[in-house]
Amino acid sequence: QVHLQESGPGLVRPSETLSLTCGVSGFSISSGYYWGWIRQFPGKGLEWIGSIYRSGNLYDNPSLKGRVTLSIDSSKNQIALRLTSVSAADTAVYYCARLNAAGTSLFSLDVWGQGTTVTVSS
Amino acid sequence: QSVLTQPPSASGTPGQGVTLACSGSDSNIGRNTVSWYQQFPGTAPKLLIYSNNQRPSGVPDRFSGSKSGLSASLAISGLRSEDEAAYFCAAWDVTLDGPVFGAGTQVTVL
Repeated sequence: QVHLQESGPGLVRPSETLSLTCGVSGFSISSGYYWGWIRQFPGKGLEWIGSIYRSGNLYDNPSLKGRVTLSIDSSKNQIALRLTSVSAADTAVYYCARLNAAGTSLFSLDVWGQGTTVTVSS
Repeated sequence: QSVLTQPPSASGTPGQGVTLACSGSDSNIGRNTVSWYQQFPGTAPKLLIYSNNQRPSGVPDRFSGSKSGLSASLAISGLRSEDEAAYFCAAWDVTLDGPVFGAGTQVTVL
């Protein structure tokens, strides 16, 4: 069974960089699939942050204005997210997830991590 | 502001049926299939329906999905207390080149 686990600091100061990792077990990320980050705001809305493939091919949400860096470490079977210049508006629960059939009409998010709460505050 | 539109709440009594709506545009639902997710408080969303109407293994057949044009629906028949949760719809958006979501519908079992 595929299991995803996010980790990282729960509190980040404004203007600093948010860094999260997502460890994957039960599946080798080198075998395929896009892996992505989604966040859920306190009001419950969901927002796609970005997705990355084993080749390093990646896509991110233009609304984040280039603040996103995604990386993949096949040796550790994990993906990572860096979000720079954070503000209170970035306070959310951050999920990593596996994208099934990304970029196609059959897309779905078939495996999710448990999520990690990140608060941006001084 | 969510790209896909969902009503914020729905309710029903045990045993009843309830249908949840999700509407989008030509760049998402109009061109691609819809998936639905169930979320309980404090937990991650869980895939409930994919490709408009397919259930992953383990999802009861009380849950069914459909799509027509720019809208999709999730129907829950034989409502149970354990169905009380938030339900989100999602679809790939060709303009964004990424997934878009609805704001979710909170289902209450009266």
